[in-house]
Amino acid sequence: NAGVTQTPKFQVLKTGQSMTLQCAQDMNHNSMYWYRQDPGMGLRLIYYSASEGTTDKGEVPNGYNVSRLNKREFSLRLESAAPSQTSVYFCASSEVPPSGRAEGNIQYFGAGTRLSVL
Amino acid sequence: AQKITQTQPGMFVQEKEAVTLDCTYDTSDPSYGLFWYKQPSSGEMIFLIYQGSYDQQNATEGRYSLNFQKARKSANLVISASQLGDSAMYFCAMSFTSGTYKYIFGTGTRLKVLA
Repeated sequence: NAGVTQTPKFQVLKTGQSMTLQCAQDMNHNSMYWYRQDPGMGLRLIYYSASEGTTDKGEVPNGYNVSRLNKREFSLRLESAAPSQTSVYFCASSEVPPSGRAEGNIQYFGAGTRLSVL
Repeated sequence: AQKITQTQPGMFVQEKEAVTLDCTYDTSDPSYGLFWYKQPSSGEMIFLIYQGSYDQQNATEGRYSLNFQKARKSANLVISASQLGDSAMYFCAMSFTSGTYKYIFGTGTRLKVLA
């Protein structure tokens, strides 16, 4: 059972370079998320997609763009990488319950991408 | 404003003993979920347990239980019979309806199990 798959696992960029982080889920979930994790902090939401065709900003969206390519795939793009974007990036997915209530919105995470920007 | 607070940056526990990891939250939403995740040194985020705001009983999953005290706005994780493999970072998170089911996370507690 693959769950949520992220590629690549590691990446080193130079300042100003661009790259796309890929995420795919095989659980038929509607919602997908991108987080970043910095030392001493919990995960912070960058962007999310509540359903196919929609995307919204999270807490820390500056410097990033996203694409919900289809129901399975949600990519994160850094157009011009900066050292401040050195972090571990996690993709997650969830199926919001039919009741629409927040309970039970269990998010399942990929293994993460460790990104260094020099 | 929605907020999750984990006040214990690090904890030690002896193998086979129980340990409680603290989590307090703040929200005005009537409907919310509380979640615990484990992050071992390998880095992945592993879902452990969740509690819905309307659930009357505390959630349990094997050796994990969630001590939910709604009036005190706390959702502590209890790990019984600790094992060496429980050594990891533990994060508390909250999902709330007005936030379009987004999570907010606490800063985590690093647990070390001693042999």
